[in-house]
Amino acid sequence: AQKITQTQPGMFVQEKEAVTLDCTYDTSDPSYGLFWYKQPSSGEMIFLIYQGSYDQQNATEGRYSLNFQKARKSANLVISASQLGDSAMYFCAMREGENFNKFYFGSGTKLNVKP
Amino acid sequence: GAGVSQTPSNKVTEKGKYVELRCDPISGHTALYWYRQSLGQGPEFLIYFQGTGAADDSGLPNDRFFAVRPEGSVSTLKIQRTERGDSAVYLCASSLGGQGKNIQYFGAGTRLSVL
Repeated sequence: AQKITQTQPGMFVQEKEAVTLDCTYDTSDPSYGLFWYKQPSSGEMIFLIYQGSYDQQNATEGRYSLNFQKARKSANLVISASQLGDSAMYFCAMREGENFNKFYFGSGTKLNVKP
Repeated sequence: GAGVSQTPSNKVTEKGKYVELRCDPISGHTALYWYRQSLGQGPEFLIYFQGTGAADDSGLPNDRFFAVRPEGSVSTLKIQRTERGDSAVYLCASSLGGQGKNIQYFGAGTRLSVL
């Protein structure tokens, strides 16, 4: 089974609007971390936001917030007030367990912000 | 400060040749990771170093792939007898290591093309 599933290959959003990028995950380990990265056309993966499995509150970082629904195993990224510079690929990733460091990545969502 | 540096940024080689890809992590990061990203997909884990030793090499696809990190800093990914299917972007990441958030910071990648 896929560890990380991103079901939206591409998304469009109007500039200044909010957008939600979906991510579901699969693990039986009670301890895990969830990450979102942005990959512009330059190729570098840029860390956006982190959510730990034991965190009680949803993570927020500026215009980024993570809608963490543990029972549904979903960790959707919400980008508020979209900007043209937000156009990029977005990847959801998971690290399982406390002592395992490799990431499992989803297939990504291509976000296009329209002026 | 300086981020993760990968060289070369592009490498074109012929089928059957040997290639080396270099990664210079963020200073002070003890953990180093290699991932492979094929076109239109998310990165796939190859190998993880903690210090000088390979803590997890379960993602290496076969024995043509090998990586070293002799002094616990710079790492080299080595591919012998390259095949056309090895064409991909090879990403390197580094982190502080240990438990908890342990964010991985990525380089811009090396785009390998095997002709």
